[in-house]
Amino acid sequence: KAGVTQTPRYLIKTRGQQVTLSCSPISGHRSVSWYQQTPGQGLQFLFEYFSETQRNKGNFPGRFSGRQFSNSRSEMNVSTLELGDSALYLCASSLSVGGPNEKLFFGSGTQLSVL
Amino acid sequence: GNSVTQMEGPVTLSEEAFLTINCTYTATGYPSLFWYVQYPGEGLQLLLKATKADDKGSNKGFEATYRKETTSFHLEKGSVQVSDSAVYFCALTSGGYQKVTFGIGTKLQVIP
Repeated sequence: KAGVTQTPRYLIKTRGQQVTLSCSPISGHRSVSWYQQTPGQGLQFLFEYFSETQRNKGNFPGRFSGRQFSNSRSEMNVSTLELGDSALYLCASSLSVGGPNEKLFFGSGTQLSVL
Repeated sequence: GNSVTQMEGPVTLSEEAFLTINCTYTATGYPSLFWYVQYPGEGLQLLLKATKADDKGSNKGFEATYRKETTSFHLEKGSVQVSDSAVYFCALTSGGYQKVTFGIGTKLQVIP
């Protein structure tokens, strides 16, 4: 069974540009969540999607947005990039029946560098 | 809101030494507690979990006990190996959705 796939693996952008990251969850998983990982802040929750609907959102500005397609694949978009957006962006998928026994499966991440 | 506190490290140990990584939390309700591990260049993998007070999670020689009275979930291993070198994240969820609150991560280096 294939794991969570994130593309691309690495990205280099300049300030002011926009970027789109992609995440394909494990087959059968309906929930996809996104996290930003930086050395200073650790892992910060961005948002979670289930059945094409955003179900939960972290404390990030509106420049960060996402969506989920009918096949559960998800994309994350960051507009007007800032230097501080440089980070590893991790995607996680789960079956999402909810509850304390839910298990998250993480992809290897997309490393975004903003110059 | 929810929060998780753990030492950032790095923690450097010799092979076969005893490991403890402390983790304390603040949460509303009755959270589930987790330890995730991140090997270099990879995403996070669930190491162990505990869903209620006094539960002990264990996997690959690692253990952690859910202590409600001290709001702690310390990770322990009796004898570490070089292959255990990684970053360890304490985390919690509270409520039915997949919003996980992570600690800052503790980098462990095990030297031969």
